[in-house]
Amino acid sequence: GENVEQHPSTLSVQEGDSAVIKCTYSDSASNYFPWYKQELGKGPQLIIDIRSNVGEKKDQRIAVTLNKTAKHFSLHITETQPEDSAVYFCAASFFGNEKLTFGTGTRLTIIP
Amino acid sequence: NAGVTQTPKFRILKIGQSMTLQCTQDMNHNYMYWYRQDPGMGLKLIYYSVGAGITDKGEVPNGYNVSRSTTEDFPLRLELAAPSQTSVYFCASTPRGERGGYTFGSGTRLTVV
Repeated sequence: GENVEQHPSTLSVQEGDSAVIKCTYSDSASNYFPWYKQELGKGPQLIIDIRSNVGEKKDQRIAVTLNKTAKHFSLHITETQPEDSAVYFCAASFFGNEKLTFGTGTRLTIIP
Repeated sequence: NAGVTQTPKFRILKIGQSMTLQCTQDMNHNYMYWYRQDPGMGLKLIYYSVGAGITDKGEVPNGYNVSRSTTEDFPLRLELAAPSQTSVYFCASTPRGERGGYTFGSGTRLTVV
């Protein structure tokens, strides 16, 4: 089955700087890669996703890049703000298979 | 529109006790899931369902059971609680054909002592 590795497990960034979280996946058939943000005491919430026919996708201050050859994808957050502090999860799945495989999460702390 | 509702939010069980974690969604989603979240371990799939009357095992199904008699409800049953089942449990749902657009509930924190 699919295996998703996520790094780093913790990340501290000065407010206003950029943050990058990286994930690698094992199954070359995977073609859908979402990112979730989990705030304290809440369930994960989808923030951005990318499909394998696209190399990059942006939504305001967040972006995701995908390298199919290397089987890795990354989340980029620019101009970080205190409200970006949370745990972020990457995930992967294959079209037709409705099960997501999640990474182990990254705790992002924005330092004021 | 409440989304995905999980009850209870917190529960302490003694070893060997049984309980049912409730999950209800009001979005008419076909697909529903149960995940457990352990510190530093991400989210592991316990069971999932692609529609009423259809359930299937995920990655860590041992010690759990599910049923799906309606589109809205997807309860998770623990028959003989063990300390290894101490975790935070999340229910999620998504419409058929939507890839990955999971809506998660707010979770149930379960402690087995």
